[in-house]
Amino acid sequence: NAGVTQTPKFQVLKTGQSMTLQCAQDMNHEYMSWYRQDPGMGLRLIHYSVGAGITDQGEVPNGYNVSRSTTEDFPLRLLSAAPSQTSVYFCASSYSRGREAQETQYFGPGTRLLVL
Amino acid sequence: DAKTTQPPSMDCAEGRAANLPCNHSTISGNEYVYWYRQIHSQGPQYIIHGLKNNETNEMASLIITEDRKSSTLILPHATLRDTAVYYCIVRVVGGANNLFFGTGTRLTVIP
Repeated sequence: NAGVTQTPKFQVLKTGQSMTLQCAQDMNHEYMSWYRQDPGMGLRLIHYSVGAGITDQGEVPNGYNVSRSTTEDFPLRLLSAAPSQTSVYFCASSYSRGREAQETQYFGPGTRLLVL
Repeated sequence: DAKTTQPPSMDCAEGRAANLPCNHSTISGNEYVYWYRQIHSQGPQYIIHGLKNNETNEMASLIITEDRKSSTLILPHATLRDTAVYYCIVRVVGGANNLFFGTGTRLTVIP
């Protein structure tokens, strides 16, 4: 298994540009999520999904959109990039068995985004 | 989810045990204690988790106090590759699998 993959690894955008960060997993995990990590800080949850067709907001959702059309993919869209969105973005996935949702999360390698 | 408190940094000599403390005094009865680590800006890596009993796996041991208000992650024989930021997270069972990361403890293993 490839696990959780993210593309691109690096990206430079100009303010106002749009882009999509890709995330895919081949472990048939129901749960997927996006985090951002700013320098010297822990990870903050942006959006998450408990299954295809179901998404919800995390701690810092403003400026980001997500959709989940398949179990494998969970893209993160920046509609109009701002310098405040300069960060490292991590995607994660895990099993989710209803109320017994205690499984560990598997993280991708991250996408480093610079918005000028 | 309950908040956690960790020291910002610790050093440990190579080959010695690294003991990383975590305070979670407001933990609820249905919250697990999780430990993740992040090596040099890579994606976080799961280490271990527990509810109230001590746990051990191939990577580490987790000691949870009887009142569950604190815990200690033990790396029995630290190596240079264990240098990382270690995150202690408490999370409720059920619902979404959200993890709330703090700033963690930066462990430096010294040769």
